[in-house]
Order: sequence, then structure tokens, then C-alpha cells
Amino acid sequence: GAVVSQHPSRVICKSGTSVKIECRSLDFQATTMFWYRQFPKQSLMLMATSNEGSKATYEQGVEKDKFLINHASLTLSTLTVTSAHPEDSSFYICSATSTGLYEQYFGPGTRLTVT
Amino acid sequence: EDQVTQSPEALRLQEGESSSLNCSYTVSGLRGLFWYRQDPGKGPEFLFTLYSAGEEKEKERLKATLTKKESFLHITAPKPEDSATYLCAVPGTGANNLFFGTGTRLTVIP
Repeated sequence: GAVVSQHPSRVICKSGTSVKIECRSLDFQATTMFWYRQFPKQSLMLMATSNEGSKATYEQGVEKDKFLINHASLTLSTLTVTSAHPEDSSFYICSATSTGLYEQYFGPGTRLTVT
Repeated sequence: EDQVTQSPEALRLQEGESSSLNCSYTVSGLRGLFWYRQDPGKGPEFLFTLYSAGEEKEKERLKATLTKKESFLHITAPKPEDSATYLCAVPGTGANNLFFGTGTRLTVIP
């Protein structure tokens, strides 16, 4: 159990375009989903926390207008990188948890490359 | 301030050579300590949750233990397939997000 999927696994886009990444909990209801960014050989950096039906809470320094997060249902959250630039190239990972639990289950990640 | 520190940063072991990874934490009111394994280019895979000092959990060649200030991940007779980065994390004070350590990159040489 506790499977989280992400789509796509890899995406290459041109500078100035927008990219949407989907995160789905396949076998449980995810009341809270998290979006992380990870640079090579570094640990996970939390970008934002989203609760189903509510606006996402962004960490300090993360541009909410650039990284749009939607958590419309208990099984789906999306991250849209708007007007992407090469510096947005990174590995984006989502995680999900259920009510009252702190254990997070992670998706396989999405490698974004902006050319 | 909530803090998680892992050591060593990197560890190379011969196959069969047992060792331990350390995770020291500073947080008010521990609500669990989590261990994850991350392979290159993949998301972290959940391993263990520990809730109270003295608790131990095992999975194959891995055993996690917890004290009031730190946790250890013991690896017994490791195999090359145990090579990965091992992350520990704790919930932040008053929050449900996790604070991650920087990880220990384990390499097991055949």
C-alpha cells in the first residue's frame, strides 16, 4: 500500500513555457501533499504544503506565482511551473500523507529540464 | 530551532562489513523519526518510523534504533544493492512537514 505516482517522469521544455506535473496517491486518500525540489547531491527542499481543497502554503523564498499548486481532490495534486527558465531545471518530488499521520510517501520524482 | 544532522556524509563499505549511520535531532516534542532510502534519480522510499526512545525496528539487513537525542541505522552484512542515500527526518515543531537531514551516501563494494 501507500503508493504515490508522478507524471511525467521526465520533461524537457523551452524557456518561457509552462509545465504541469501531476502527483497521485493510488491507494489512499491524501489529505496533505508536499512538493519538494532536489538539486544534485543535496537533500530535499520543501517548496510547499497543500491540503485538499485549500490554498497551498509556500515556504519562504518560493514564488507562489511561479510554482502554482492545486490540490483539488484527495488523490491528486498538481504543480505548474509557469514561464520556466533554465534555473528551474531540477528534480521535483511530491509526497502524500493521510490525516493524523506524519509518515510521508513519496512519488518517483520528475526531472525537469528547461532549455 | 529544529535540526537534523546525519553522519557520516558518505560511507564506503566492503560487502559484508557491518556499520551504523547516525541521525542526531533537536526538536521539541518528538512526534516520530523517519528513515528513508533514496536511490539516484528516484523518490525516497519509506523504511521505518520510530516514536519513542528504546524502540527498535528491523527490515532485512537494516535495524533502526532511537534514543532521546539520536537514531542509528545499523546495516548488518551489507550487499551492493544496499548502496543508496539514507535520509532521516522528523516533523517540525508545530507542523506536519518533515525536516530532512542531508543524508548518508552509502556505497557497498563487492
